[in-house]
Amino acid sequence: GAVVSQHPSRVICKSGTSVKIECRSLDFQATTMFWYRQFPKQSLMLMATSNEGSKATYEQGVEKDKFLINHASLTLSTLTVTSAHPEDSSFYICSARDNPNRGSAGNTIYFGEGSWLTVV
Amino acid sequence: RKEVEQDPGPFNVPEGATVAFNCTYSNSASQSFFWYRQDCRKEPKLLMSVYSSGNEDGRFTAQLNRASQYISLLIRDSKLSDSATYLCVVIDRGSTLGRLYFGRGTQLTVWP
Repeated sequence: GAVVSQHPSRVICKSGTSVKIECRSLDFQATTMFWYRQFPKQSLMLMATSNEGSKATYEQGVEKDKFLINHASLTLSTLTVTSAHPEDSSFYICSARDNPNRGSAGNTIYFGEGSWLTVV
Repeated sequence: RKEVEQDPGPFNVPEGATVAFNCTYSNSASQSFFWYRQDCRKEPKLLMSVYSSGNEDGRFTAQLNRASQYISLLIRDSKLSDSATYLCVVIDRGSTLGRLYFGRGTQLTVWP
């Protein structure tokens, strides 16, 4: 079945550096992908909607310049956390929806495995 | 007000018990509803969709009450492997396909 792969699964970086997280749809094309962040014991909060070939749509309160999203192809979206700070340490997870025109089997949302970011 | 509200628990129940989780949503235009399961430090996985007529999958029963904007999940004959966080998820009508609203999750621990 369709799978979304996210990389890296864990990353530790120093304050002030940038880190890139990749989200790939492995056997389907995803014109839209979503990036979420989850703090411990909290809900997944949508950060932004990544649109292939155009600018991402950010949720209120999410800094566009800090969380750079690039969706250059139909199978890859990247989230770059720029000038990372310890408060950016969190679980970041992407999701993608299979083509809804493929019928009920395609009406499924797939999550990546998530990326644990620790900023020290 | 949050889009989706859930009692965070935790719920601690013995094996074999029946446990129920509730969830309310604020947008009456919401069109699709799901229960996801999330194990510690892992990504969420779809447990089941929730249909207006109610639906059952083995030991799991989901109910939707549109009038009250309320969703429930019932787990019968709890197993140790059911220990996880259960997330109520809603998709709004007209929103970007795949845009999910998550509840904060209800933590369940099943003990022997």
